[in-house]
Amino acid sequence: DAMVIQNPRYQVTQFGKPVTLSCSQTLNHNVMYWYQQKSSQAPKLLFHYYDKDFNNEADTPDNFQSRRPNTSFCFLDIRSPGLGDAAMYLCATSSIAGGFSTSTDTQYFGPGTRLTVL
Amino acid sequence: EDKVVQSPLSLVVHEGDTVTLNCSYEVTNFRSLLWYKQEKKAPTFLFMLTSSGIEKKSGRLSSILDKKELFSILNITATQTGDSAVYLCAVVIQGAQKLVFGQGTRLTINP
Repeated sequence: DAMVIQNPRYQVTQFGKPVTLSCSQTLNHNVMYWYQQKSSQAPKLLFHYYDKDFNNEADTPDNFQSRRPNTSFCFLDIRSPGLGDAAMYLCATSSIAGGFSTSTDTQYFGPGTRLTVL
Repeated sequence: EDKVVQSPLSLVVHEGDTVTLNCSYEVTNFRSLLWYKQEKKAPTFLFMLTSSGIEKKSGRLSSILDKKELFSILNITATQTGDSAVYLCAVVIQGAQKLVFGQGTRLTINP
């Protein structure tokens, strides 16, 4: 029944060693988001895909990249993780239509991947 | 800059108490406001509010939006220890397909 799946749930990497986090969805939603959440802080949006259109937040470091090869999958690549990148990474999806269908505003979150950088 | 502010940041009460969590916002183009509950995992959806004055209710939880004064409240009555969590408020920005989150309120219910 899982609708938004993230793998792995826990990832340990070394300082500077590239890492890729994975998100998949069975909802057929057209929008997928990546958030970074550090301890005791609100989720911070890194970027999102609206269909194939990539939308980067202005303050997202270049170290963070994303790929969406198809509707179901989205990847977060951290090219050279630093100690400050240790966090929970949350993937979310939503279905955005052109009209005012308010039921599409809800974002569905995956369980998150907790990244540790040694 | 779009901003969502929650208060209090932290709240500790006894089981059975009623609590009110606050969320105020200043955004360029409001579409809707969402409340989430986050335990030690991803946020789970509670309510979506789009119209002023219409209360949404789910069991002991209820929420209402005031679009004139730009705030929302989340009420929890007869609190239980299982209500302990971080409650996140987020605003959907019209045309931007994204949420702006508040800092969250950490609610602790003591037995």
